[in-house]
Amino acid sequence: DTGVSQNPRHKITKRGQNVTFRCDPISEHNRLYWYRQTLGQGPEFLTYFQNEAQLEKSRLLSDRFSAERPKGSFSTLEIQRTEQGDSAMYLCATTGQGISEQYFGPGTRLTVT
Amino acid sequence: AQSVTQPDIHITVSEGASLELRCNYSYGATPYLFWYVQSPGQGLQLLLKYFSGDTLVQGIKGFEAEFKRSQSSFNLRKPSVHWSDAAEYFCAVASSGGSYIPTFGRGTSLIVHP
Repeated sequence: DTGVSQNPRHKITKRGQNVTFRCDPISEHNRLYWYRQTLGQGPEFLTYFQNEAQLEKSRLLSDRFSAERPKGSFSTLEIQRTEQGDSAMYLCATTGQGISEQYFGPGTRLTVT
Repeated sequence: AQSVTQPDIHITVSEGASLELRCNYSYGATPYLFWYVQSPGQGLQLLLKYFSGDTLVQGIKGFEAEFKRSQSSFNLRKPSVHWSDAAEYFCAVASSGGSYIPTFGRGTSLIVHP
């Protein structure tokens, strides 16, 4: 158990709909990262927070994507006007005692039909 | 920019045989290196990491990896593979300062035959 939960685990939505995913670390870890993983690829960085501040965003994070981390605890990732290309596993990770190593949640698998 | 190459998409071994998964990285300074394992439908679990010091690092589940700066490699090894080791393995490199955002390889799928 990495101490990171993600909900929902699976989401099927129709193209054009909005979806929101949630990441809950058990304890308030300093940093929280979001990744996208498509079939046959490794995770790709989307964005990360240090406490409630969003410090970096990947160019993969189009303006349809938004992430928040109110109060520096849980985080949400919203995708507006979903496209079929958004179908992927969305992973959340937090840091342990050393901020350079990350611990991943089980992910949310999004399927856009 | 940092990058990781895992040249083997699939590796098939027999249970009890030894294993080596290859990883080559590109990074200007001394990198932080990681190996993660991912079972189907699950998140990634950290197997081991290298930051500095001894170039042979031990991890969980009997895995080890060796950092070779001259070859820009960080290969993962296990002397005797168990059927439960079948999974996807990812090598990652991160900068040694600042954001620590890792770049992952595309992964190697390990198949274990009985």
